Amino acid sequence: DTAVSQTPKYLVTQMGNDKSIKCEQNLGHDTMYWYKQDSKKFLKIMFSYNNKELIINETVPNRFSPKSPDKAHLNLHINSLELGDSAVYFCASKQKGTGGGNEKLFFGSGTQLSVL
Amino acid sequence: GEDVEQSLFLSVREGDSSVINCTYTDSSSTYLYWYKQEPGAGLQLLTYIFSNMDMKQDQRLTVLLNKKDKHLSLRIADTQTGDSAIYFCAEKGSSNTGKLIFGQGTTLQVKP
Repeated sequence: DTAVSQTPKYLVTQMGNDKSIKCEQNLGHDTMYWYKQDSKKFLKIMFSYNNKELIINETVPNRFSPKSPDKAHLNLHINSLELGDSAVYFCASKQKGTGGGNEKLFFGSGTQLSVL
Repeated sequence: GEDVEQSLFLSVREGDSSVINCTYTDSSSTYLYWYKQEPGAGLQLLTYIFSNMDMKQDQRLTVLLNKKDKHLSLRIADTQTGDSAIYFCAEKGSSNTGKLIFGQGTTLQVKP
């Protein structure tokens, strides 16, 4: 069973389109994240939700809108796609703990977005 | 500010030791992590160290932390071809959001 699953794995689309990436975790975790990995492998946090509530919103264009219908799902909708949005987007989840170091992130396998 | 830097590439021969280095800027970091990313996959936690420790050993992995210099290293003993991957250093600051700041990753190439 896949702990954190994202769909689709690959997404190729034209500039200006609107697209969504879905993420689901079956680990019972409270906190979910979206990370963006660019072509140079830099991994940057975009958003984090804890129990459906937005807790981290980094400097991300407002064309990106996360939605968390329940604590097991965190979807990412992107409007008016641009060339610079091409990247691999990773969903991750974590159980909210007491601050110990073993609060590990569980990552999905990524969605490779190519904007043409 | 929060910044994590790593060298981009390391090549070793099978059976040698690999040492991957990382520097960070946030002196209030509570935990530091090493994650591994294999091709086409997400990141997986390898090991972590609490900021009041200077060494942690876990089988073939040894983590060294020099808090004064804000320097973290990961040593892999007896490196195998299956260790070929990208290794990310990450720090967890004092923020209670649980946000991790990742380095840009070091690609480890293991030659037979």
